[in-house]
Amino acid sequence: QKEVEQNSGPLSVPEGAIASLNCTYSDRGSQSFFWYRQYSGKSPELIMSIYSNGDKEDGRFTAQLNKASQYVSLLIRDSQPSDSATYLCAVKIWEYGNKLVFGAGTILRVKS
Amino acid sequence: AAGVIQSPRHLIKEKRETATLKCYPIPRHDTVYWYQQGPGQDPQFLISFYEKMQSDKGSIPDRFSAQQFSDYHSELNMSSLELGDSALYFCASSLGATGTYEQYFGPGTRLTVT
Repeated sequence: QKEVEQNSGPLSVPEGAIASLNCTYSDRGSQSFFWYRQYSGKSPELIMSIYSNGDKEDGRFTAQLNKASQYVSLLIRDSQPSDSATYLCAVKIWEYGNKLVFGAGTILRVKS
Repeated sequence: AAGVIQSPRHLIKEKRETATLKCYPIPRHDTVYWYQQGPGQDPQFLISFYEKMQSDKGSIPDRFSAQQFSDYHSELNMSSLELGDSALYFCASSLGATGTYEQYFGPGTRLTVT
């Protein structure tokens, strides 16, 4: 079992809809959580970071963290075709130092 | 804003050759990380440096070595290259000890071993 699990998708949503991406993690020592967007052949781009339980909003993006359930999600409002990419959930686990442990990523397709 | 710089962007080598990848972190960032991403896979952590000292080590083969220099740039040296080393190699940087540990990735080096 991977330490960070994501549904590989693809997740297809129509333009203008809300895309909901989910991530679960197994290590309760996890302390920092990040969402990256990666276009094919490009580098991961940091979208959101979240460190405490609750919601964090930045523009069209909202990250939600529930440490009791070991669950982190990313909501993308008003999805655009340019949002079509792979979304990587990454976790920093205290006992592993500062490295990031990535999930396998969820492919998002926004249909116009 | 300045980003992480990596060079070269593309590299083609033959089996058993050596390769050196370079990374220039975001100014004032003190921590550098190296990741390897194979086709269709998520990035795998190789090694990191904080203030020029190795801080964490992941699944880096013994054939690979890395260091961080006094100007904070880092180099990943890869020897006895194998076909399986073909991948995207990303460098990321962060503000470590006093920061949020948010890692910002460079554009990557695509290594092809033939």
